[in-house]
Amino acid sequence: AQKVTQAQTEISVVEKEDVTLDCVYETRDTTYYLFWYKQPPSGELVFLIRRNSFDEQNEISGRYSWNFQKSTSSFNFTITASQVVDSAVYFCALTLPTYGQNFVFGPGTRLSVLP
Amino acid sequence: DSGVTQTPKHLITATGQRVTLRCSPRSGDLSVYWYQQSLDQGLQFLIQYYNGEERAKGNILERFSAQQFPDLHSELNLSSLELGDSALYFCASSATGEGKQPQHFGDGTRLSIL
Repeated sequence: AQKVTQAQTEISVVEKEDVTLDCVYETRDTTYYLFWYKQPPSGELVFLIRRNSFDEQNEISGRYSWNFQKSTSSFNFTITASQVVDSAVYFCALTLPTYGQNFVFGPGTRLSVLP
Repeated sequence: DSGVTQTPKHLITATGQRVTLRCSPRSGDLSVYWYQQSLDQGLQFLIQYYNGEERAKGNILERFSAQQFPDLHSELNLSSLELGDSALYFCASSATGEGKQPQHFGDGTRLSIL
């Protein structure tokens, strides 16, 4: 069975600080996909990124970057120069590529960016 | 805007009642998923449909049922409601339902049971 752990329940930072959200996953499959979603206070879930298990290249998108390390089963998310608008709950999720596989979500990390 | 539409946005009802939540997937998406988000259980997958057929089942109670119609919209029916059913219910869609595809979520329906 698959499992996703986000050990940080809540994080508070001051605007412009960098912050890293941790995600550790468990699966016995060699092919899998990892995702990050953002849930702002308004409640919707916004897709941020997908990474497959064969691509360990780090990805950067503006102030966001993701570090995927299969050796430690981690897929961490870093926000550089955080802004108040980054305040949200962030979810890491894992799925297998086949049909009929559902997303396994982590419990989420609530990030508060203070002005 | 994800393109997934959920109605209603809020629903308040009483224990023992039955409600129907509706979801229209993104244009072109054939697969629909339902999730329940509660404070103590987090995001729980309920059920997935692909082109009208049930594809996968998660932690869905027997009091709950869903279907996907020929026009691809989906409905989640919750009956004999209990206080513990109060939650945010999300619908998501993806193109073909393959696990590797990102799911795009609607804004959710907040269900409050009094």
